[in-house]
Amino acid sequence: QSALTQPASVSGSPGQSITISCTGTSSDVGSYNLVSWYQQHPGKAPKFMIYEGSKRPSGVSNRFSGSKSGNTASLTISGLQAEDEADYYCCSYVGITTSLWVFGTGTKVTVL
Amino acid sequence: QVTLRESGPALVKPTQTLTLTCTFSGFSLSTGGMCVSWIRQPPGKALEWLALIDWDDDKYYNTSLKTRLTISKDTSKNQVVLKMTNMDPVDTASYYCARGRLAGRCDAFDIWGQGTMVTVSS
Repeated sequence: QSALTQPASVSGSPGQSITISCTGTSSDVGSYNLVSWYQQHPGKAPKFMIYEGSKRPSGVSNRFSGSKSGNTASLTISGLQAEDEADYYCCSYVGITTSLWVFGTGTKVTVL
Repeated sequence: QVTLRESGPALVKPTQTLTLTCTFSGFSLSTGGMCVSWIRQPPGKALEWLALIDWDDDKYYNTSLKTRLTISKDTSKNQVVLKMTNMDPVDTASYYCARGRLAGRCDAFDIWGQGTMVTVSS
């Protein structure tokens, strides 16, 4: 099972909106509405940000939103803030006959 | 409050077996729908899911590592153990345990441990 494809880096100025793509296949992202997103600051554990493609857990800012179209999921950060500078990973369920879960390649978000 | 904490050796030699323990609190692995996964991250690289064990003692593995991995649980101790055989320098990574989202029957990883760094070197 290959990793989902994410852009290596995305940048934006404070207050702007950015979108991170997560491209898979019809066997993973395209087959299940089970994409989740994680934020990871340097030296820290990942933090749970989005589940089922577009739902936010309690405590996550509404500046973070998720969506999916076909085999590509996306994470949008609106009103970009300095604290949003981090690595972001998508993750998709891929079924019990394979490796169950596959992560994306990761995206470094830089706030200019 | 839900917490998870990984423990194990910081350094292992090539060909040795790695044993990692995830000790958790704030939930029980005997609760229906509950699960715990192990996930690793080599330095500067992406996350990789390794294994999952659920409340019913069902176990799932990354197919590319399946022959080397064994996951188990001790519900009475609130622990999940991962064993990885035949360690190689490419297995050098931070190893995390994470709880599966209960409401979603483990459809995402909602709480993570701080991770433990394992270096494989002779």
